[in-house]
Amino acid sequence: NAGVMQNPRHLVRRRGQEARLRCSPMKGHSHVYWYRQLPEEGLKFMVYLQKENIIDESGMPKERFSAEFPKEGPSILRIQQVVRGDSAAYFCASSPPSDREDGYTFGSGTRLTVV
Amino acid sequence: AQTVTQSQPEMSVQEAETVTLSCTYDTSESDYYLFWYKQPPSRQMILVIRQEAYKQQNATENRFSVNFQKAAKSFSLKISDSQLGDAAMYFCAYSGAGSYQLTFGKGTKLSVIP
Repeated sequence: NAGVMQNPRHLVRRRGQEARLRCSPMKGHSHVYWYRQLPEEGLKFMVYLQKENIIDESGMPKERFSAEFPKEGPSILRIQQVVRGDSAAYFCASSPPSDREDGYTFGSGTRLTVV
Repeated sequence: AQTVTQSQPEMSVQEAETVTLSCTYDTSESDYYLFWYKQPPSRQMILVIRQEAYKQQNATENRFSVNFQKAAKSFSLKISDSQLGDAAMYFCAYSGAGSYQLTFGKGTKLSVIP
């Protein structure tokens, strides 16, 4: 049973380009969460999705960031027109609906570097 | 809003010794969950131990145990018989009972000296 799979592991983008980060949850998990980790910081919540629904995007920056979790395929975190301040590690976690209290299962993250 | 504070940016311990990592939190909720996560250089976030606030008994998981002081809002992690593989960043995290969001501290970098 593969864990939460994130790709790419490393992503380099020039300022103004688009970044697309992918997350495949664990088998049987229908809830996906995205977190961002800035240097020297803990993880900060960005968005919570279920299949085809955004449940809570209160941690998402208002502009340039979007997330989706389609019926088929991985969850995508999309950052348009990236800036240097977007450089961070982006983590995805998943959980089954009834097991959130155990803490999520995290992926290994995507490290985005904007040059 | 809930906050989680880890006051020790870095700690070190001799192999086979015991070390305690500190964590305090602030909340107005009475029911919640607390977690310790380990992040080795591979970046994988690994759940080490969790504590339910309504349980008075401190959680233990092999060499890892917590000292949960609800009134003081303190949640420290004790690692016994430290091993080289314990070297990592350790994050304390909080989640309200009805919430799905985790609030993390800034982490403590633990080094293990052979």
